[in-house]
Amino acid sequence: GESVGLHLPTLSVQEGDNSIINCAYSNSASDYFIWYKQESGKGPQFIIDIRSNMDKRQGQRVTVLLNKTVKHLSLQIAATQPGDSAVYFCAERRTASKLTFGTGTRLQVTL
Amino acid sequence: DGGITQSPKYLFRKEGQNVTLSCEQNLNHDAMYWYRQDPGQGLRLIYYSQIVNDFQKGDIAEGYSVSREKKESFPLTVTSAQKNPTAFYLCATQGAIGNEQYFGPGTRLTVT
Repeated sequence: GESVGLHLPTLSVQEGDNSIINCAYSNSASDYFIWYKQESGKGPQFIIDIRSNMDKRQGQRVTVLLNKTVKHLSLQIAATQPGDSAVYFCAERRTASKLTFGTGTRLQVTL
Repeated sequence: DGGITQSPKYLFRKEGQNVTLSCEQNLNHDAMYWYRQDPGQGLRLIYYSQIVNDFQKGDIAEGYSVSREKKESFPLTVTSAQKNPTAFYLCATQGAIGNEQYFGPGTRLTVT
């Protein structure tokens, strides 16, 4: 597969536990945020998004929390499964047409 | 990556040669993007196009060129002027301003 994420921070969790992946963003004017999942050798896949006028948004087994005071975004995955193993990226929208991506966190799910 | 096609998945070229990476979409999206991904780094924007016959440089446009003659297609040429062309290249589309970007499967380019 691709060598994406060779030197990325890694989070190891046991199957069935909850995972929390964190992201710090830099621009207080960013108004929209996205979490992507990227499996080895594949393009990023949209997971969930949140607008800056919200603090929390829930999807299926995933929750995104936004703390604008400290410019922090987190992705919570409930009951983590082996198929959740991947690199997770946050992205922020600073201008209407462009996203800026974080470096990513590798999630490893152990059995 | 449904609806966005990048071909080929793996591409090998000799140093000094130009190479063109293909990106085709059938999502009817106006905006298209090219990113480069290197190990341990986030995605970096090369070029983007919000409408046919118009495109803008991203953060790392030097050594690359693009065209947008059709809504469905946004090919990227990696020229011999690009100092470190070996990377994973990702194409993305966006349906409307403010919505999420959808990614293709990527092309791994290796230049030796």
